[in-house]
Amino acid sequence: EIVLTQSPATLSLSPGERATLSCRASQSVSSYLAWYQQKPGQAPRLLIYDASNRATGIPARFSGSGSGTDFTLTISSLEPEDFAVYYCQQRSNWPQYTFGQGTKLEIK
Amino acid sequence: QVTLRESGPALVKPTQTLTLTCTFSGFSLSTSGMCVSWIRQPPGKALEWLALIDWDDDKYYSTSLKTRLTISKDTSKNQVVLTMTNMDPVDTATYYCARMASGSGRSNNFDYWGQGTLVTVSS
Repeated sequence: EIVLTQSPATLSLSPGERATLSCRASQSVSSYLAWYQQKPGQAPRLLIYDASNRATGIPARFSGSGSGTDFTLTISSLEPEDFAVYYCQQRSNWPQYTFGQGTKLEIK
Repeated sequence: QVTLRESGPALVKPTQTLTLTCTFSGFSLSTSGMCVSWIRQPPGKALEWLALIDWDDDKYYSTSLKTRLTISKDTSKNQVVLTMTNMDPVDTATYYCARMASGSGRSNNFDYWGQGTLVTVSS
């Protein structure tokens, strides 16, 4: 099983700041990594797929990068609605999809 | 517009079998590349992928849970059903169904989700 480790567990920032979230895979997943945003009481929402492609309707302030084992989700300038939990997910080991444990982005 | 909705019991007893139904609209599971998955999330914890069924009726299961899971579809009703046997309190979670559109030019990830249904396992 491919294990995804996200860091940090919690990130405290203010609106307008830049957020950098990391996801590390236990073995190479090539570029087959996605990012999701989840707000309390809601289902996850697909933000980024295949490491760097924004999903439909996702604002340009969200960007993804990386390949192999190290990936980054960047939010260029935080909006109030961006404070949520973020999960990475791999599809390299299809169909044994796995998710990271999440990074909580909270308001400082 | 694509929508999915989960339905099923909110409470099951240990050792019972859980049956969940995902009713969807806005796409057809007979269209090449379309898939529906079940994913769960224990309270306060991370997401766990459970099972997937595709347009060709191929079925895939989590290695750790495959002996307990069965996924099926009724294309005419736009429904996907998941059964999980021998339920235990550790299976308490919100269960989501999600669409995946696979193939070239598609996201190949879970692009639409239902709102989830909380299942509690308790005697």
